Amino acid sequence: EDKVVQSPLSLVVHEGDTVTLNCSYEVTNFRSLLWYKQEKKAPTFLFMLTSSGIEKKSGRLSSILDKKELFSILNITATQTGDSAIYLCAVEAWDSNYQLIWGAGTKLIIKP
Amino acid sequence: NAGVMQNPRHLVRRRGQEARLRCSPMKGHSHVYWYRQLPEEGLKFMVYLQKENIIDESGMPKERFSAEFPKEGPSILRIQQVVRGDSAAYFCASSPSTHSSYEQYFGPGTRLTVT
Repeated sequence: EDKVVQSPLSLVVHEGDTVTLNCSYEVTNFRSLLWYKQEKKAPTFLFMLTSSGIEKKSGRLSSILDKKELFSILNITATQTGDSAIYLCAVEAWDSNYQLIWGAGTKLIIKP
Repeated sequence: NAGVMQNPRHLVRRRGQEARLRCSPMKGHSHVYWYRQLPEEGLKFMVYLQKENIIDESGMPKERFSAEFPKEGPSILRIQQVVRGDSAAYFCASSPSTHSSYEQYFGPGTRLTVT
C-alpha cells in the first residue's frame, strides 16, 4: 500500500533556529512530491519536486528530493513566528494524476 | 480573482441530522476534489468531480455520503444522518485540468462538529 510518512509529528523551536522536516514515501510509479503549508485555513502550495538532488528554494525555505532513498526534506532557516503551521507532504503517482497521497503533517511551533 | 470558496466555515449538527457543505471553485476551474482531515491525520481523498460528473468516489464512504457538481452552482458534499465520527475539517480543492495535481487550490475548509 502506498504511504507517505512525515517526521517529526510536532516540533517546537525558538525564533531564529533552523528546522528540518522529513518526508519519506513508498509509492509505486512516483511522479512528484509536493510540500504544503497549512495554517488555520487551507493548505498553500510551497514546492513541487520531481528530480533528485535539485534544491528548490523560496526565501528562507528550501527543499530537496532523494529518489534513491525515497525521501524529501524541507528546511526553514532563521525561523519566525509566522512559520508556525502544519507542513504537509504529498506524493503524486503517474497512474493517478489527481489523487495525492498525503502524510500526516508536521506541526511546527516557533516560540518568540 | 477570488479563490476557492467554501461555506459554511463552521457547521454544528446533532447526530442524525444532515450536513451540506458547499464549494465554489476558482474561476475557470472545472475540476473539484473533496478531502477530509481528521486531527493528526493528513488529508484523505474523498471524491473527484468534474461538471455534472463524478469521476472517482473511491475515497468516499458508501453510505450516507454523496457529492455533486451541477452545471450551475457550487459543488455540494452531503452527509446524511451524521455521526460523531464525521466531525472533521472538510476541504475542497479545484484545478484547471486533470493533469495538474500540483495546481490544486484549496478552499478554507468547513469544520463540521457533530454533537
